[in-house]
Amino acid sequence: AQTVTQSQPEMSVQEAETVTLSCTYDTSESDYYLFWYKQPPSRQMILVIRQEAYKQQNATENRFSVNFQKAAKSFSLKISDSQLGDAAMYFCAYRSVYLRDDKIIFGKGTRLHILP
Amino acid sequence: DAGVIQSPRHEVTEMGQEVTLRCKPISGHDYLFWYRQTMMRGLELLIYFNNNVPIDDSGMPEDRFSAKMPNASFSTLKIQPSEPRDSAVYFCASSPPGGFAYGYTFGSGTRLTVV
Repeated sequence: AQTVTQSQPEMSVQEAETVTLSCTYDTSESDYYLFWYKQPPSRQMILVIRQEAYKQQNATENRFSVNFQKAAKSFSLKISDSQLGDAAMYFCAYRSVYLRDDKIIFGKGTRLHILP
Repeated sequence: DAGVIQSPRHEVTEMGQEVTLRCKPISGHDYLFWYRQTMMRGLELLIYFNNNVPIDDSGMPEDRFSAKMPNASFSTLKIQPSEPRDSAVYFCASSPPGGFAYGYTFGSGTRLTVV
């Protein structure tokens, strides 16, 4: 079974600085999708970015980018120019492309604090 | 698009009472998921449906929990009888056909408190 591990329960970063959140996963599949979700205090789950495993190029969405290392099964999220609104819980997630197992598996989350 | 709509947003009930949580997925989405979130266990998948049919209910904690999807636009999660350990935030999420390329769209969640 696939697993997703986020080893940093909490992190802090100074406003305007860059921070990287770590995520590793375990799978025997060669094709899959990876996601980062943001959960602010409002508790709404918001999709931040996604990565297709067969694509070598790292995904980027404005100030958010990922470092996808398929061989190492690593999928970190980099937030540049951190803003107060980035304070939230961040979840790394894995989804199989095989319909027999069509559900997303979430990590335990990393709580990110932004220091003014 | 109104997104995934859950009701109620908050629910406080007494132990032993029946609780029903409701979800309306995004029109055209054929996958619907129910998750439970607690501090201790994080996000746990309870059950998911595809085209209104339950596909995997292995995450349902026990017989006190049941879920239905009578049509493509409505699902319920029922707890009977409720217990204090059921206190959590319950999320509903939906995903479109061929949805493995996409993440889910989540509802705002229902915070359940059982006293």
